[in-house]
Order: sequence, then structure tokens, then C-alpha cells
Amino acid sequence: DAKTTQPPSMDCAEGRAANLPCNHSTISGNEYVYWYRQIHSQGPQYIIHGLKNNETNEMASLIITEDRKSSTLILPHATLRDTAVYYCIVRVAGGNDYKLSFGAGTTVTVRA
Amino acid sequence: DAGVIQSPRHEVTEMGQEVTLRCKPISGHNSLFWYRQTMMRGLELLIYFNNNVPIDDSGMPEDRFSAKMPNASFSTLKIQPSEPRDSAVYFCASIPPGVTSGYTFGSGTRLTVV
Repeated sequence: DAKTTQPPSMDCAEGRAANLPCNHSTISGNEYVYWYRQIHSQGPQYIIHGLKNNETNEMASLIITEDRKSSTLILPHATLRDTAVYYCIVRVAGGNDYKLSFGAGTTVTVRA
Repeated sequence: DAGVIQSPRHEVTEMGQEVTLRCKPISGHNSLFWYRQTMMRGLELLIYFNNNVPIDDSGMPEDRFSAKMPNASFSTLKIQPSEPRDSAVYFCASIPPGVTSGYTFGSGTRLTVV
């Protein structure tokens, strides 16, 4: 799996959009970009994933650059409950390899 | 849907004792994963099963660790004998068929070996 680079931490204001960057410059054509988050003392929670098109769901939006070497997770209206560690992961699609490898992630603190 | 169920939530044991952690995946999910999380090493994949068969156990730290999945609805992770350095939070996760699906994690078991 390709490696990802994320800033170790970031703050954002409650009610504002939070934009979380991720670099994955060595991503292969068959690798998906996944985002998970982990709120303190809980198991990681799946947020969203995409291959090349931008994706949106009830939790967030995922913007992938045209060359696929980076992506941004957008939390449109951050709340205090969004304070968590956010993990960007790329994973090969297809075959029998379903492993996810977690890096250090970005610690996001939402401030009132 | 009750999600992925892990038990116990907390376990405190003495060094040298056997510890068994349990996991019930979501019904219909055919892949199951065991992860360990510590402050020093973050989230590490220990082993994963597909259709009850162990596919990759390269993350299992040593022979003291073993995992089984006797059927589609139950898995165990056993440590025998336990050591203080095994203290961590152990997570179980499962996914349904289809390579793009997101994992569902359980709430974890916090293990303390004294």
C-alpha cells in the first residue's frame, strides 16, 4: 500500500469548515483513498472513501486532486464532537488483500 | 444491527496468566481483523481472517499470541502467557464482501497486565 503524509495536528473553530489534507504521491491507479477517525477511547470509525471522483456523504466530503497525489477531507460544519484523530489511508482494491494500515493521523481539535 | 461486539471491555490480569479476548462480527461480514493500539506503536494489524480462514498473521508479535475463528460469528484472540508489554487496547473489526467497503470496528478491549 502507498504511504500517506498528514499534518500531526490542527485546530478549527466550531461551526466552521475543517479541511484536512493528505498527501499520497505514490498512489497506484487501483488504490482507493479512505478516511477514518478515532474519537478518544473509541474504535476507529469509517468516514468516506473514493477512487478518483469527489465523494460526499452525511459526514464529510472527499476531494481528490486530478493527479490523485493528494486529497482533502472536508467537515463542513465542525462541532466539538468532531474532535478526534483522523486517518487517511490508501489501499489496493481487488484481490484478497483487505488490510488497512494506519499511520499517525491528524489530531483535530475543534474549539468553541 | 448491534455492530461488532467485543468482550470483555476491560481486563486486568497478572503476568503469566492466559487471556482470551472475544469478538462477534456483524452478521454477513466475511472478513475479520484484530488490531492492537498502544501509545508508542499506534494501531497495528495483528491478524485477519477471510471466510473464517486466517489470511495474514504476520502482525502477530510472537508465539504467545494465537487467534481462531471457528465460525462466521465468533473469533478469539488468546495470549498465553501474558506479559506487561501486552497491555494495550485490542480492537476487532469486520467488513462485508466487496473490496471498497469500510471497516466497522468494535469498542475494543482494554487489557492491563500487571
